[in-house]
Amino acid sequence: GESVGLHLPTLSVQEGDNSIINCAYSNSASDYFIWYKQESGKGPQFIIDIRSNMDKRQGQRVTVLLNKTVKHLSLQIAATQPGDSAVYFCAEANTDKLIFGTGTRLQVFP
Amino acid sequence: KAGVTQTPRYLIKTRGQQVTLSCSPISGHRSVSWYQQTPGQGLQFLFEYFSETQRNKGNFPGRFSGRQFSNSRSEMNVSTLELGDSALYLCASSLDPIAGTRETQYFGPGTRLLVL
Repeated sequence: GESVGLHLPTLSVQEGDNSIINCAYSNSASDYFIWYKQESGKGPQFIIDIRSNMDKRQGQRVTVLLNKTVKHLSLQIAATQPGDSAVYFCAEANTDKLIFGTGTRLQVFP
Repeated sequence: KAGVTQTPRYLIKTRGQQVTLSCSPISGHRSVSWYQQTPGQGLQFLFEYFSETQRNKGNFPGRFSGRQFSNSRSEMNVSTLELGDSALYLCASSLDPIAGTRETQYFGPGTRLLVL
């Protein structure tokens, strides 16, 4: 799907550079956080998650950082590739439902 | 293992009609959640089903309803469609082996509904 549209913040990076996408969450009681990637015409795809008892978690080319003091979450993508172009959402869980951020559009140019 | 599947993928309806969307979760997943995605409001939680019971509900009018079957498949229904119901409807499933734990939700491709 085209997901969140006209007013999405956009991050433009050059292929090969590192990307950092930031997210502020709303509830200090949230204890689980997920980053999703959504490409046009598709549903959100799980990238990486982190629980509130951690402040950093690494995956393949991705790292999530959690700062509970300021309720901030970030996603770092190393060596960004054209295939990373998509909308990225953070989500927080504080009950049994996920609350999604508005999303950030990542554009990768050669 | 097959992912979450949703049918139909695209749907066109007119105002006042009703619609039923279907979701088949990943095999073994028992929790199914539904979301509405629009350009203006982003991803919004509709409801969640577990063991054929609605466990959580978002802030949507009663025209939006759902159900879950014994095989964990789920349907959602929207009655008396309005133009503003045009959206991408996403279904997500998770394992949820223990109530209250946090499990990753995996999304299907969505059903794009257009109301004319």
